[in-house]
Amino acid sequence: EPEVTQTPSHQVTQMGQEVILRCVPISNHLYFYWYRQILGQKVEFLVSFYNNEISEKSEIFDDQFSVERPDGSNFTLKIRSTKLEDSAMYFCASTLRRTVQETQYFGPGTRLLVL
Amino acid sequence: DQQVKQNSPSLSVQEGRISILNCDYTNSMFDYFLWYKKYPAEGPTFLISISSIKDKNEDGRFTVFLNKSAKHLSLHIVPSQPGDSAVYFCAARGRSNDYKLSFGAGTTVTVRA
Repeated sequence: EPEVTQTPSHQVTQMGQEVILRCVPISNHLYFYWYRQILGQKVEFLVSFYNNEISEKSEIFDDQFSVERPDGSNFTLKIRSTKLEDSAMYFCASTLRRTVQETQYFGPGTRLLVL
Repeated sequence: DQQVKQNSPSLSVQEGRISILNCDYTNSMFDYFLWYKKYPAEGPTFLISISSIKDKNEDGRFTVFLNKSAKHLSLHIVPSQPGDSAVYFCAARGRSNDYKLSFGAGTTVTVRA
């Protein structure tokens, strides 16, 4: 069964450093999402992406964050200058279509720890 | 974002019995609801969904009930099995919010043998 993959599974970084989280969505999917879950809190929407553009972003997704689809398979989330509060589990998701009934398929996540 | 609430952080149930997980929402624009299951160190896995035009959807041991007037949905698992022990997230979305998912805080289910 096709699945969303994410690398790395764990990332430890120093505050102020840049990190890039990578995702490979399901191959024929067209819509991509990033979510995050801070320990003990809800899964929160960060950004949605389609046709090489951001469709929507949350308040969390400030200028320190950016997303990119550098080739036909990868979808990346970059945090330019990490803060302690960026420590969280980051999930990538993808869907084939953008309809209400479409299921979003999630990757296993990247656990980011900012020291 | 308090639009989706799961007020029970945990639930313990005997194997073979029914697990009932509850979820409330506040946004009347939500028109599709999903339940995801999550094991430690894994991403959320889709379990079952329901459209706002229905009040019940069943898939094997899993049934989701929707009460639109009360803005409430529930997930029933019958019979509960040890492999059902996981965190269950209620999620909702609507056309007005670009199809992004709004999640509840999750309920940790423990099925006792």
